[in-house]
Amino acid sequence: EADIYQTPRYLVIGTGKKITLECSQTMGHDKMYWYQQDPGMELHLIHYSYGVNSTEKGDLSSESTVSRIRTEHFPLTLESARPSHTSQYLCASSELGGEANEKLFFGSGTQLSVL
Amino acid sequence: DAKTTQPPSMDCAEGRAANLPCNHSTISGNEYVYWYRQIHSQGPQYIIHGLKNNETNEMASLIITEDRKSSTLILPHATLRDTAVYYCIGRSQGNLIFGKGTKLSVKP
Repeated sequence: EADIYQTPRYLVIGTGKKITLECSQTMGHDKMYWYQQDPGMELHLIHYSYGVNSTEKGDLSSESTVSRIRTEHFPLTLESARPSHTSQYLCASSELGGEANEKLFFGSGTQLSVL
Repeated sequence: DAKTTQPPSMDCAEGRAANLPCNHSTISGNEYVYWYRQIHSQGPQYIIHGLKNNETNEMASLIITEDRKSSTLILPHATLRDTAVYYCIGRSQGNLIFGKGTKLSVKP
């Protein structure tokens, strides 16, 4: 079974606050991802990483930033939260071995509400 | 890049086979077809993937047409717990793209 964890599960915060969403995996996967999903809508890739010190922007522009200092950890930060950031944020990881091994394992997500 | 097209919703009776179609006419010869599902409010879950041959695992079967322009995911005996959104995954600039998927409702 997948071992990828996201905290917190739910977060309600006021406008202007700095927040960090945590994501950790214990599978030793090199590639990690952040997706954003509004209720009933598609998942949008906002950030991904090929490994330590690698970060790339995804298809959907986001004001958030990410870092990858350790293989197992891929936190997402919003410097100043706004109501437009209200959404579900999903973290995933996969092996780095070409398409045949691109099986993504997802965390349970963080539901962020900015008031 | 591979774009995918799926029906927005389908119903299936409990215990019957659920056949979920996907068109991926722009898929290239070396791109795999991946299927995931997402049960309400949870992260998506991998189901199955294939390149050319039909595939089967403990969750489902995947039938890929010979020209690879479409595929069908088969849940042989659908249960209520199979109610979910099913994604046939496309690809853009090397990254997996989750479209709107097919919302499968399994009814008693």
